[in-house]
Amino acid sequence: DAGVIQSPRHEVTEMGQEVTLRCKPISGHNSLFWYRQTMMRGLELLIYFNNNVPIDDSGMPEDRFSAKMPNASFSTLKIQPSEPRDSAVYFCASSRDSYNSPLHFGNGTRLTVT
Amino acid sequence: EDQVTQSPEALRLQEGESSSLNCSYTVSGLRGLFWYRQDPGKGPEFLFTLYSAGEEKEKERLKATLTKKESFLHITAPKPEDSATYLCAVDGQNFVFGPGTRLSVLP
Repeated sequence: DAGVIQSPRHEVTEMGQEVTLRCKPISGHNSLFWYRQTMMRGLELLIYFNNNVPIDDSGMPEDRFSAKMPNASFSTLKIQPSEPRDSAVYFCASSRDSYNSPLHFGNGTRLTVT
Repeated sequence: EDQVTQSPEALRLQEGESSSLNCSYTVSGLRGLFWYRQDPGKGPEFLFTLYSAGEEKEKERLKATLTKKESFLHITAPKPEDSATYLCAVDGQNFVFGPGTRLSVLP
């Protein structure tokens, strides 16, 4: 079991550029979560998919953020245009059955927007 | 609104010095309380799930307990490799993570 795989590990971009973060969940897991972690706000849920369908996107900060899950083995989080306040570590997590089972996190993408 | 607080914010222990971390919560209908460990540069790693008051779970030097208002993570005779940030999370109306406790165990 390779675990949840995220790419890239680090991303440095200029304000206004488009950023795409990628995630491959654990095979057999039917739920996928995108989280953002900062020192000020801790871990915040951005969006949650169940069986590839977005269930809760209330944490998506604004229209600049979008997420897709075209199939059970791949998800993207896109920020367009990026702003310096988007700088954070973005985590993807998957679970067998929503919050009823433990979340397995990837090692995150550290995003820096200058 | 579900709320989770953790204390202390940071804790430094000498190797072998046992202590406890606290997670206090306000939740409408607790469905589960989770403890995670996070090492620098990595994602949180699952430790325990507790479902009802009075429940206890153990793993090596760690023991988690749960009451109706709080959970404790007891660390017995810690080692330097136990140094990490410990996060609790509650599953109620929403799923919410606490801010974490940064634990440093000095040799």
